[in-house]
Amino acid sequence: NAGVTQTPKFQVLKTGQSMTLQCAQDMNHNSMYWYRQDPGMGLRLIYYSASEGTTDKGEVPNGYNVSRLNKREFSLRLESAAPSQTSVYFCASSDNRGSETQYFGPGTRLLVL
Amino acid sequence: DAKTTQPTSMDCAEGRAANLPCNHSTISGNEYVYWYRQIHSQGPQYIIHGLKNNETNEMASLIITEDRKSSTLILPHATLRDTAVYYCIVGGMNRDDKIIFGKGTRLHILP
Repeated sequence: NAGVTQTPKFQVLKTGQSMTLQCAQDMNHNSMYWYRQDPGMGLRLIYYSASEGTTDKGEVPNGYNVSRLNKREFSLRLESAAPSQTSVYFCASSDNRGSETQYFGPGTRLLVL
Repeated sequence: DAKTTQPTSMDCAEGRAANLPCNHSTISGNEYVYWYRQIHSQGPQYIIHGLKNNETNEMASLIITEDRKSSTLILPHATLRDTAVYYCIVGGMNRDDKIIFGKGTRLHILP
């Protein structure tokens, strides 16, 4: 099992550009999450999906959209990137919504110029 | 705001037990205590969790006080590879629960 995979690993964008961060899990988990982590800070929840076909806002959803494409895949889209969105983005999955054990991907490092 | 309070940083000598405290005085009856760690630049890794009883697994032990207002994560024989940021999190199983990681404790294992 690969666990949780994320693509790309690194990305540089110019202000105003758009991009989609991809996440996939092969553990048959119901719930998936997107977090961002700024330097020296803890993780902050952007969006989550408790099950296929559902998504909900987390702590910092502004400027992002998500799609739960199927049970395996959960993508995060930046429609018009801003320098404030420079961060490391982590995707995670778990068996059930709530505080069940979460398994994290390796992260995507995004720089917005 | 995070529901937990942890020291910003701690040092521990290699081979000794590392004891990481966490205060969660507002924890509710159905909330678990979870511990994760994040080694530099990697995604967080689950360590252990518990509700009321003390728990032990191959990585660590979790001691929860009787009133559940605080807990301690114990790494019994710390190695240099245990250098990481350790996050204590409380959360339940409800749909609307949102996990808040906080800033965690930066643990330095000293050779």
